[in-house]
Amino acid sequence: QKEVEQDPGPLSVPEGAIVSLNCTYSNSAFQYFMWYRQYSRKGPELLMYTYSSGNKEDGRFTAQVDKSSKYISLFIRDSQPSDSATYLCAMSGGSGGYNKLIFGAGTRLAVHP
Amino acid sequence: ETGVTQTPRHLVMGMTNKKSLKCEQHLGHNAMYWYKQSAKKPLELMFVYNFKEQTENNSVPSRFSPECPNSSHLFLHLHTLQPEDSALYLCASKAQGSTDTQYFGPGTRLTVL
Repeated sequence: QKEVEQDPGPLSVPEGAIVSLNCTYSNSAFQYFMWYRQYSRKGPELLMYTYSSGNKEDGRFTAQVDKSSKYISLFIRDSQPSDSATYLCAMSGGSGGYNKLIFGAGTRLAVHP
Repeated sequence: ETGVTQTPRHLVMGMTNKKSLKCEQHLGHNAMYWYKQSAKKPLELMFVYNFKEQTENNSVPSRFSPECPNSSHLFLHLHTLQPEDSALYLCASKAQGSTDTQYFGPGTRLTVL
């Protein structure tokens, strides 16, 4: 079993839709959870960063962590064509410490006008 | 310049060539990372350096040789690569010991013929 599972998509939605991206993980020691956005031919850029369980909101983006279910989500409201990218979840903590990130494979999102 | 920069952005090399990838971070961080990103696979951690010392080698073949002369610069020396080594090579940096996350460069797209 992979430590982090993420549906690779692609996910295609119309402009203005609410998008839900998800990851599941197996290591209950993870405590820090991140979402990175990666545009084509670019490096990943940090989008959201949360600690432990709960929600965090930043503009149109909401990150949610449910440690009891080992499940994290990223919601994008009023999606725009500029949101078209690959979204990577990542997490750290546990035996790997905070210096190592474990990544999901990424979900490719396409928002069409 | 700010952030994490990588050169070259694109590299095509034959299996007998020797080349080097360069990474520079302008964030005052002291931990630096090399990752390999292949299509539809999670980012694979290759090497970790903390304060110029290598602290992790994730079973990387010896045809990849990292070098970290100081906390701001990281190199990846390549020799006798295989076509399956073709991928996007990403550099990242982080403030070591903190729970801050990693910041990525734009990557070098490597093609091995």
